[in-house]
Amino acid sequence: DAKTTQPTSMDCAEGRAANLPCNHSTISGNEYVYWYRQIHSQGPQYIIHGLKNNETNEMASLIITEDRKSSTLILPHATLRDTAVYYCIVRPWMDSSYKLIFGSGTRLLVRP
Amino acid sequence: SAVISQKPSRDICQRGTSLTIQCQVDSQVTMMFWYRQQPGQSLTLIATANQGSEATYESGFVIDKFPISRPNLTFSTLTVSNMSPEDSSIYLCSVARGGSNTGELFFGEGSRLTVL
Repeated sequence: DAKTTQPTSMDCAEGRAANLPCNHSTISGNEYVYWYRQIHSQGPQYIIHGLKNNETNEMASLIITEDRKSSTLILPHATLRDTAVYYCIVRPWMDSSYKLIFGSGTRLLVRP
Repeated sequence: SAVISQKPSRDICQRGTSLTIQCQVDSQVTMMFWYRQQPGQSLTLIATANQGSEATYESGFVIDKFPISRPNLTFSTLTVSNMSPEDSSIYLCSVARGGSNTGELFFGEGSRLTVL
């Protein structure tokens, strides 16, 4: 069963912030939230991950609610190149297998 | 990061034949995985390729259909055996480095397989 729920698709205007929600209401205390994206005809690419604090890197920001049951990935100034499928995944940090189980993801379309 | 090369990048095959896909990484990695992505779908994990031992398969995937080899820390192969049109997919190799502070996986560009 999928451990995360994401909207099937979203769109935003170029230059505006893209806010992608993810529901993970059954997340365990040792599970991190990971975000990956897959641009058409490419392999998935790591974006960001977090446990309970908000995180920011050069690509995006990750906002995790205090109860950790949901999160939002923020692309502050979306460009056309950000058009992709975005996957929210939960995984135990100490899972030595490192494997990722992908859900359906959100297809983000950035409009000119 | 890790540079992953997959061969072939694409192929068209006849029903009943087998195809071996190669995955070469530019440096030693701890974990290697094989994923399948059917048309318009998300990624599904096939198996973890274990160095020097049998791969660990996910539910719904068996060794007879998807034999995997991993002779060293930089190379793995996935064979799709006795292919049918339902095997038409993109097959992706993925790797992880132990001790990474992000725990991220790196993915190859994939091998697009069409079975006629």
